[in-house]
Amino acid sequence: AQKVTQAQTEISVVEKEDVTLDCVYETRDTTYYLFWYKQPPSGELVFLIRRNSFDEQNEISGRYSWNFQKSTSSFNFTITASQVVDSAVYFCALSDSGTYKYIFGTGTRLKVLA
Amino acid sequence: DVKVTQSSRYLVKRTGEKVFLECVQDMDHENMFWYRQDPGLGLRLIYFSYDVKMKEKGDIPEGYSVSREKKERFSLILESASTNQTSMYLCASSLVPLIRVGDEKLFFGSGTQLSVL
Repeated sequence: AQKVTQAQTEISVVEKEDVTLDCVYETRDTTYYLFWYKQPPSGELVFLIRRNSFDEQNEISGRYSWNFQKSTSSFNFTITASQVVDSAVYFCALSDSGTYKYIFGTGTRLKVLA
Repeated sequence: DVKVTQSSRYLVKRTGEKVFLECVQDMDHENMFWYRQDPGLGLRLIYFSYDVKMKEKGDIPEGYSVSREKKERFSLILESASTNQTSMYLCASSLVPLIRVGDEKLFFGSGTQLSVL
């Protein structure tokens, strides 16, 4: 069965600190997709990144970076030099190709304190 | 930019009422979804629609029904609201054909926080 685990329920950091949000997934499929979404206080989930199972290259986008490791079934998200605007709930999600079902983790609430 | 609009941000209803949650997307997307978000449980799929009048049950369809008469609009219906349906409801859409639905990102609305008293 598919499963996504975000063990960190809530993280608090001081502005400018680096922070890593963990995501561990389970699937038996060889072709699958991993996603990260950000949910700010406004409520709307915003897409951050998609990674397919055949592409293990890490990705960097500004202060955001993602580390995909199939060997440990993890897709971790790091924010460098965090800012107050990064405060949000972050969701990791998994889907298999050809299915309409996305499996979401329970989310990690990040609080960045000024 | 894709816009997914949910009709109400906050809604308060009484037990037993019939409740309609409306969602409209403006980018001609094929697929639309209704999720429920609860603390500690993440997002759970209620229903999915891949075309007008086509629907598939998600993981928690009990107590809910849906309607998609037009491509841009997807309605979630609580036939007889109960207190355990108090939750945040999120609508989402995506463009790709059904065979590739899982490949593509979702566009979300801002959510409707429903309280059933």
